[in-house]
Amino acid sequence: DVKVTQSSRYLVKRTGEKVFLECVQDMDHENMFWYRQDPGLGLRLIYFSYDVKMKEKGDIPEGYSVSREKKERFSLILESASTNQTSMYLCASSLVTGGFYEQYFGPGTRLTVT
Amino acid sequence: LAKTTQPISMDSYEGQEVNITCSHNNIATNDYITWYQQFPSQGPRFIIQGYKTKVTNEVASLFIPADRKSSTLSLPRVSLSDTAVYYCLVVLYTDKLIFGTGTRLQVFP
Repeated sequence: DVKVTQSSRYLVKRTGEKVFLECVQDMDHENMFWYRQDPGLGLRLIYFSYDVKMKEKGDIPEGYSVSREKKERFSLILESASTNQTSMYLCASSLVTGGFYEQYFGPGTRLTVT
Repeated sequence: LAKTTQPISMDSYEGQEVNITCSHNNIATNDYITWYQQFPSQGPRFIIQGYKTKVTNEVASLFIPADRKSSTLSLPRVSLSDTAVYYCLVVLYTDKLIFGTGTRLQVFP
């Protein structure tokens, strides 16, 4: 069964802290994605990666960075967390042949920055 | 400039057919349109994808007109368990990957 896991379901951090969100997939997928989801705004793409050490900016990359050192793992980094980064963060993966379309999502991490 | 537009919410009763439309004026020529379903406290789940005309699987049908400026997700005979938020996903002509803002479907007994 397809599985995308995220390191935490809930996270509370203070303003200015460095925050790491981890995502692991066990499907040998090439593509991995990070989204944030906010009420009324739907899902917005932050970054995606189509291969190890490769990354592309999505719609809202400001304030975020990513790391993909291994195929199965994609990390989202908030260098200095701010209150406007309080959100639900969703990780996803997909095969190259599926393109961006059939993505498998993790359960999400609800991050609160105080 | 709106990129994708979906109704915010829809209500239905069990056993009815539900049609949810997503408008996407600036869609890329060669990319698929995809729909997802999301339950509370879960990530979205892939339902169906299509390029044009009609696609049907065991869960839903997807209708895409020739101009591809919109798509309609059709759920036949909905049940209470279909209560969820439904999102369309498109790739714009700018190569941007865009989710719609979602339609909250409430199914009543």
